Amino acid sequence: QKEVEQNSGPLSVPEGAIASLNCTYSDRGSQSFFWYRQYSGKSPELIMFIYSNGDKEDGRFTAQLNKASQYVSLLIRDSQPSDSATYLCAVRKAAGNKLTFGGGTRVLVKP
Amino acid sequence: NAGVMQNPRHLVRRRGQEARLRCSPMKGHSHVYWYRQLPEEGLKFMVYLQKENIIDESGMPKERFSAEFPKEGPSILRIQQVVRGDSAAYFCASSPLGENIQYFGAGTRLSVL
Repeated sequence: QKEVEQNSGPLSVPEGAIASLNCTYSDRGSQSFFWYRQYSGKSPELIMFIYSNGDKEDGRFTAQLNKASQYVSLLIRDSQPSDSATYLCAVRKAAGNKLTFGGGTRVLVKP
Repeated sequence: NAGVMQNPRHLVRRRGQEARLRCSPMKGHSHVYWYRQLPEEGLKFMVYLQKENIIDESGMPKERFSAEFPKEGPSILRIQQVVRGDSAAYFCASSPLGENIQYFGAGTRLSVL
């Protein structure tokens, strides 16, 4: 079992719709959770971070965390073609500062 | 406020040569991380450094790879005797003391011929 798992996609979403991305993690001691966006050939760009159970909203993005289910998700509302990218879920464990990344979900927003 | 600076952006080496990748963290950041992204694969942690100290090198290959973050100057990731399998994008990230939000540089794309 991978430490951080994501569906590789591609997730095809019509423009204006909601894109829903999921991520599960195996270590119950994980404390911090991050979503990065990576365009092809570019570096990861931080979108959201969440530490506590529940929802956290920032503009068109909402991160949801459920530690009991070891599950974190990202919702992108009013998806735009510029949202087409790979979205990386990253987890920090209780001990240490390193991030463990999932394989990423590729999102395609079609006009 | 400059972000994380990495250079070179692209590096071509022949098998057996050495590769040196440099990373200057964001201003005010004292923690540096190196990650590697192989073609069509996810990001993998390599090493975490603070000034003059290696804190966690659990992701570093046992041979040929080394990293440092001297008191003055950038962090250096050094790969000796490169092989074709070392071809990848190497990303550096930094974070400030007391926080774990990591910001990534543009990366160095290493190609080994």
